[in-house]
Amino acid sequence: AQSVSQHNHHVILSEAASLELGCNYSYGGTVNLFWYVQYPGQHLQLLLKYFSGDPLVKGIKGFEAEFIKSKFSFNLRKPSVQWSDTAEYFCAVNGHNAGKSTFGDGTTLTVKP
Amino acid sequence: DGGITQSPKYLFRKEGQNVTLSCEQNLNHDAMYWYRQDPGQGLRLIYYSQIVNDFQKGDIAEGYSVSREKKESFPLTVTSAQKNPTAFYLCASSRDRTYNEQFFGPGTRLTVL
Repeated sequence: AQSVSQHNHHVILSEAASLELGCNYSYGGTVNLFWYVQYPGQHLQLLLKYFSGDPLVKGIKGFEAEFIKSKFSFNLRKPSVQWSDTAEYFCAVNGHNAGKSTFGDGTTLTVKP
Repeated sequence: DGGITQSPKYLFRKEGQNVTLSCEQNLNHDAMYWYRQDPGQGLRLIYYSQIVNDFQKGDIAEGYSVSREKKESFPLTVTSAQKNPTAFYLCASSRDRTYNEQFFGPGTRLTVL
């Protein structure tokens, strides 16, 4: 079975602060990893993904994430957040033999202007 | 425009009634998924289908049923057996089960009166 744990339920930052959201997963095989974002009133959409290769992946709007296999982690980072980054962020794992993704509980990010 | 449509956006039903939520995709994706989203609980998988005429139970299938008679359609029925049906329901699709990058619809908010 696969599982995902997101460490922060609610994060509040001021604009220009740096962001790091934690995500750890468990699965005994090859995985693909995702961060999805849900802006207020909008569809859930892909922020970035890791399939293979360079463990540092870059996504939209200046976000990046690093896959550390030894730590089963896929933390999301952004050097300087903006008010428009206020949203809910979900980490997800897809084990290649699982045929489905498992999502974390989500982290609500509030950025104060 | 390619994408996923869900209807209706808001749905009200009386306790004891079955209700069917629609999900259609024109992305030519093989796999489709139904999730339930509750505050603080992330996305929980209800049912998924990797191919037409086949589907599997997810983590919280009790009280729900689905069908997959056409590639583009994956309706979800919330039955009267579902004890706590009031929730936000999200439909998603993906090109394949291995990499499983998912595309989401706008969701249906179901309220049981």
